[in-house]
Amino acid sequence: GAGVSQSPSNKVTEKGKDVELRCDPISGHTALYWYRQSLGQGLEFLIYFQGNSAPDKSGLPSDRFSAERTGGSVSTLTIQRTQQEDSAVYLCASSLAFQGGNSPLHFGNGTRLTVT
Amino acid sequence: QKEVEQDPGPLSVPEGAIVSLNCTYSNSAFQYFMWYRQYSRKGPELLMYTYSSGNKEDGRFTAQVDKSSKYISLFIRDSQPSDSATYLCAMINSNTGKLIFGQGTTLQVKP
Repeated sequence: GAGVSQSPSNKVTEKGKDVELRCDPISGHTALYWYRQSLGQGLEFLIYFQGNSAPDKSGLPSDRFSAERTGGSVSTLTIQRTQQEDSAVYLCASSLAFQGGNSPLHFGNGTRLTVT
Repeated sequence: QKEVEQDPGPLSVPEGAIVSLNCTYSNSAFQYFMWYRQYSRKGPELLMYTYSSGNKEDGRFTAQVDKSSKYISLFIRDSQPSDSATYLCAMINSNTGKLIFGQGTTLQVKP
């Protein structure tokens, strides 16, 4: 596809359930990023992948959050035992190379997660 | 104190006005500067990208960087209602490679 694709676009789940969010990056982009955007809070970095490996997991809020990337392409972000404070828009981005000088990020439209 | 400070607004201007959006930063390791525009319920899209101090122009948009003052600006000339969106500044820490975003400024251009 032409851009970064995320699914689902909206997800409503009950507290305590697990959710899985999917990201399809732009073809050929080796770097993939997950951000979280809460109302009035800006973009919070969660994790990035260079190929299939995640060198920096420092942004994951807790051990309930995990992410993987397979085949250097699709990535999934999994949140276990969801809590109400997990409600936010989860944005995925990709770039040709890791946040280098000439590799700006291209974002998907996000998954809006609501935990009831 | 946040690494990147950006006034969240909201900022409301009449159509045709010149808009000035600003960010300040504290870390001299920030070397690459970007402006993203985000419409409601959409992902951020890259507007402008610059490295050097000085001005970079693209149509009605001008990005300005002053590294000595650690201050960046985005100017929008002849603003249109379609410019109504949230504008996020972002910058790369050349030591860590991390991209850090400002909080975003919400702009409304009234017809």
